[in-house]
Amino acid sequence: EAGVAQSPRYKIIEKRQSVAFWCNPISGHATLYWYQQILGQGPKLLIQFQNNGVVDDSQLPKDRFSAERLKGVDSTLKIQPAKLEDSAVYLCASSLVAGGEQFFGPGTRLTVL
Amino acid sequence: AQTVTQSQPEMSVQEAETVTLSCTYDTSESNYYLFWYKQPPSRQMILVIRQEAYKQQNATENRFSVNFQKAAKSFSLKISDSQLGDTAMYFCAFMKGGGGSNYKLTFGKGTLLTVNP
Repeated sequence: EAGVAQSPRYKIIEKRQSVAFWCNPISGHATLYWYQQILGQGPKLLIQFQNNGVVDDSQLPKDRFSAERLKGVDSTLKIQPAKLEDSAVYLCASSLVAGGEQFFGPGTRLTVL
Repeated sequence: AQTVTQSQPEMSVQEAETVTLSCTYDTSESNYYLFWYKQPPSRQMILVIRQEAYKQQNATENRFSVNFQKAAKSFSLKISDSQLGDTAMYFCAFMKGGGGSNYKLTFGKGTLLTVNP
């Protein structure tokens, strides 16, 4: 079975620019997560979707970050405008059901200059 | 809120030997799950082992086993017969149980394990 796909794998932008990341979860997985992993730290949840509804976005900086999961499948995470401190790896994960094993994608490494 | 602490930023072990990675956590929840995840240099995170808090028996997966001490809130990972492919960052993680739909993972900062030939 195909794993979680993410693109792009790497992105370099200037501060105040916009950027978007894409995630395609494992087929049939209802729950999708976006995590932010800053260098030297463990991943931190930004947002969790159950199908196309938001379950938890309490740690999403909503003044600059937005995410959507149209039709309950693919998801995009957007940052506008980016700040230097947004430099991190953005990980997407999915699980068959809420509470099930989370399968992670390869991540997108964002560098903000 | 839950916290997960990994006090060993880096560890090394010789191939074929045994190593133990430490993890402590803090929570007021009674129903939860604990995990160890492995993140090799390619950065794809994979699940190593999972422990349900209500189970007294320690989880085991081939060469990987845990020592779960619920009262002490300790959850260590033992890797036996270490292999070069075990070189990776290892993260301890907590997930609240008990129903509902919010199942986020709370991670520690990780331990970088290097297996030397």
